[in-house]
Amino acid sequence: GAVVSQHPSWVICKSGTSVKIECRSLDFQATTMFWYRQFPKQSLMLMATSNEGSKATYEQGVEKDKFLINHASLTLSTLTVTSAHPEDSSFYICSASGTNSYEQYFGPGTRLTVT
Amino acid sequence: TQLLEQSPQFLSIQEGENLTVYCNSSSVFSSLQWYRQEPGEGPVLLVTVVTGGEVKKLKRLTFQFGDARKDSSLHITAAQPGDTGLYLCAGAEMKTSYDKVIFGPGTSLSVIP
Repeated sequence: GAVVSQHPSWVICKSGTSVKIECRSLDFQATTMFWYRQFPKQSLMLMATSNEGSKATYEQGVEKDKFLINHASLTLSTLTVTSAHPEDSSFYICSASGTNSYEQYFGPGTRLTVT
Repeated sequence: TQLLEQSPQFLSIQEGENLTVYCNSSSVFSSLQWYRQEPGEGPVLLVTVVTGGEVKKLKRLTFQFGDARKDSSLHITAAQPGDTGLYLCAGAEMKTSYDKVIFGPGTSLSVIP
């Protein structure tokens, strides 16, 4: 149980375009979903936390107008990187938590490369 | 803001050796999790410890939560190449509607056959 999927696994886009990443909890209802960014050989950096049906809470320094998060249902959250630039290239990982909100189940990640 | 430190940052050992990874904070957490992450994949939850002094075992892995719930350790016995990966500890901070989880910087473990 506790499976989280992400789509796409990797994406290459041109500078200035927008990219949407989907995060789905496949076998449980995710009360809260989290979006992280990870640079090579570094730990996870929390970008934002979202609860179903409400606005996401962004961490300090994360631009909410650039990284749009929608949590429309208990099983789906999306992250849209708007007007992507090469510095947005990174590994984006989502996670979801259910009843035990301190236990997060991670998706496999999405490798974004902006050229 | 609560911060987590991990040591060592990098560890390279021979197959069959034992090792311990430490996770420390100056703050108290309501719970602490350990994850393992392999390159290009998301972290996988290994264990959650909640009670001060708690010890949990997962095959060759032993996890301990400090009495004051500020620190934790992960001990691996007879390491195997399959144990290679990035080990992350994460402390949970209670919020009103969810637990905010703070990740440590990670320990990169390489087990050489």
